[in-house]
Amino acid sequence: RKEVEQDPGPFNVPEGATVAFNCTYSNSASQSFFWYRQDCRKEPKLLMSVYSSGNEDGRFTAQLNRASQYISLLIRDSKLSDSATYLCVVRFQGGSEKLVFGKGTKLTVNP
Amino acid sequence: GAGVSQSPSNKVTEKGKDVELRCDPISGHTALYWYRQSLGQGLEFLIYFQGNSAPDKSGLPSDRFSAERTGGSVSTLTIQRTQQEDSAVYLCASSRSTDTQYFGPGTRLTVL
Repeated sequence: RKEVEQDPGPFNVPEGATVAFNCTYSNSASQSFFWYRQDCRKEPKLLMSVYSSGNEDGRFTAQLNRASQYISLLIRDSKLSDSATYLCVVRFQGGSEKLVFGKGTKLTVNP
Repeated sequence: GAGVSQSPSNKVTEKGKDVELRCDPISGHTALYWYRQSLGQGLEFLIYFQGNSAPDKSGLPSDRFSAERTGGSVSTLTIQRTQQEDSAVYLCASSRSTDTQYFGPGTRLTVL
């Protein structure tokens, strides 16, 4: 089983739609969780961290369920500029603090 | 301030040649990471530096890969006797200790 698994996608949605991405992780020792965004042929950029209590940043809401080892990202009122690949990322405590990435889910928002 | 920079942005080489990829982290960031992203694959961890030492090299795929960091700043990733399967985008990231990792624009390596 891969350490971080995401919806394979791709997702094609109209502007204004609400879209949800899911992710599961296999290592219960995982300590920090993130969603990164990667535009075509660009580097990944941090979109938001994910906290146990859930957190919201404008149109974006992230949720974490440690018991189920499940992470989600909800995008409301999607914009054309939200088109990108969304990467679910986990960091394990201790050692190198390296990031473990899911393969990503590609989102295309259509006019 | 300036972000993470990497050079070259693109590198085309012939199979069997050696290549060096450079990363300049954000000033003051003690932690530096190298990742690789192959076509259709997720990012995979290669090596982690804390200062000039590399406590985690577990992601280096073979002994043809090596990296060093000097002065707690610039890092170089060297691939010897390149193979076609080494073709990928090599990404460097830096952070203050366990803080958020910021990525550079990457070096796109093509091995012919």
